[in-house]
Amino acid sequence: DVVMTQSPLSLPVTLGQPASISCRSSQGLVHSDGNTYLNWFQQRPGQSPRRLIYKVSKRDSGVPDRFSGSGSGTDFTLKISRVEAEDVGVYYCMQGTHWPWTFGQGTKVEIK
Amino acid sequence: EVQLVDSGGGLVKPGGSLTLSCAASGLTLTNAWMSWVRQAPGKGLEWVGRIKGKVDGEATHYAAAVRDRFTISRDESKNTLHLQMKSLKAEDTAVYYCATDLITIYEVHWGQGTLVTVSS
Repeated sequence: DVVMTQSPLSLPVTLGQPASISCRSSQGLVHSDGNTYLNWFQQRPGQSPRRLIYKVSKRDSGVPDRFSGSGSGTDFTLKISRVEAEDVGVYYCMQGTHWPWTFGQGTKVEIK
Repeated sequence: EVQLVDSGGGLVKPGGSLTLSCAASGLTLTNAWMSWVRQAPGKGLEWVGRIKGKVDGEATHYAAAVRDRFTISRDESKNTLHLQMKSLKAEDTAVYYCATDLITIYEVHWGQGTLVTVSS
């Protein structure tokens, strides 16, 4: 199985400051169809997950533009340009290229 | 508006069986690619399995931890997705979420989750 490794696992941030989460895969994530199926999900406390980013860098509808995704190969990053209070929660990367699909361990974002 | 409602969770003994349901409205499940994701108490997300749409042959894929024990199916007449679970183990204890295709270019919709507890 493809192992997705996130860092850090805990990320205390100051409101208005940037935040960055790394996600590394144990194998390259380019699918045979040419797409890289690397997603980012947010899970706020007590809520179902919500997808923020698909195919590395494409933002889902309604996701604030302070969220951005980048990367290629086995190295991917989620950035929040200016953290807001509503961004508190756990963030997961997920690969949908290789079976079985796999999630990272999650990164808990909290306000300092 | 698309809504997914998860149900069927509960307490079951090790070795027992349980079937979860995901009722959809605002979306016809017949050709929808759907996934199940679970989350053990205090832990992260774990992908469980996925079923393709009817026109795509309804192929299924499962995580190794549940393969041969869990089966995803759909009931077209009730527009409902099911997750049949057998030979349940304590480590299957989790909140189970259904979701639309996780890698689609379109919006992903999630159920609210249903808690399965496997304990004697």
